[in-house]
Amino acid sequence: DGGITQSPKYLFRKEGQNVTLSCEQNLNHDAMYWYRQDPGQGLRLIYYSQIVNDFQKGDIAEGYSVSREKKESFPLTVTSAQKNPTAFYLCASGIEQFFGPGTRLTVL
Amino acid sequence: KNEVEQSPQNLTAQEGEFITINCSYSVGISALHWLQQHPGGGIVSLFMLSSGKKKHGRLIATINIQEKHSSLHITASHPRDSAVYICAVSPGQGNLIFGKGTKLSVKP
Repeated sequence: DGGITQSPKYLFRKEGQNVTLSCEQNLNHDAMYWYRQDPGQGLRLIYYSQIVNDFQKGDIAEGYSVSREKKESFPLTVTSAQKNPTAFYLCASGIEQFFGPGTRLTVL
Repeated sequence: KNEVEQSPQNLTAQEGEFITINCSYSVGISALHWLQQHPGGGIVSLFMLSSGKKKHGRLIATINIQEKHSSLHITASHPRDSAVYICAVSPGQGNLIFGKGTKLSVKP
């Protein structure tokens, strides 16, 4: 089945640690996106990539990093520089925005 | 002022009612998206449109580019339609700008 997957579903990390969130798609989409959602807030764009080996910062890129070495994969690293990382992270692919199930990150 | 405004923020309806959710935006766009977010957090893309009207089952989306306005209509609403409906616009650089969402609750 074609789709977009994110792992893990829930993630806990200690303050000061980097953590990488996985996003994989087999829909053959060129475009991939990372969003952050906080309670009561709209989705905000962290990074997006329109083609392999290229990506652009979104509205809230500080404290995050990405790579796009393969068309299928667009991992997001939440670094220790991100001051308030607890949030729901959503990955999407394609210009029509097919979303993955999301990862809930909690910093302890 | 947000670039994408949705109204109403919250909407309660009785099963069977016709529902309208509105979206106004202030930037030039190449496309507008309507998304549905279920209580568990998963997001489904409902429509992507750049002109006119699209219909899928009981859902209808319209857009007026001149007036920078879009509406999402649900006919014969059902409790399973209860969700947050999100409007997002694509200014054309590959990124998206999101509204804060409309929380719909349909009572049996």
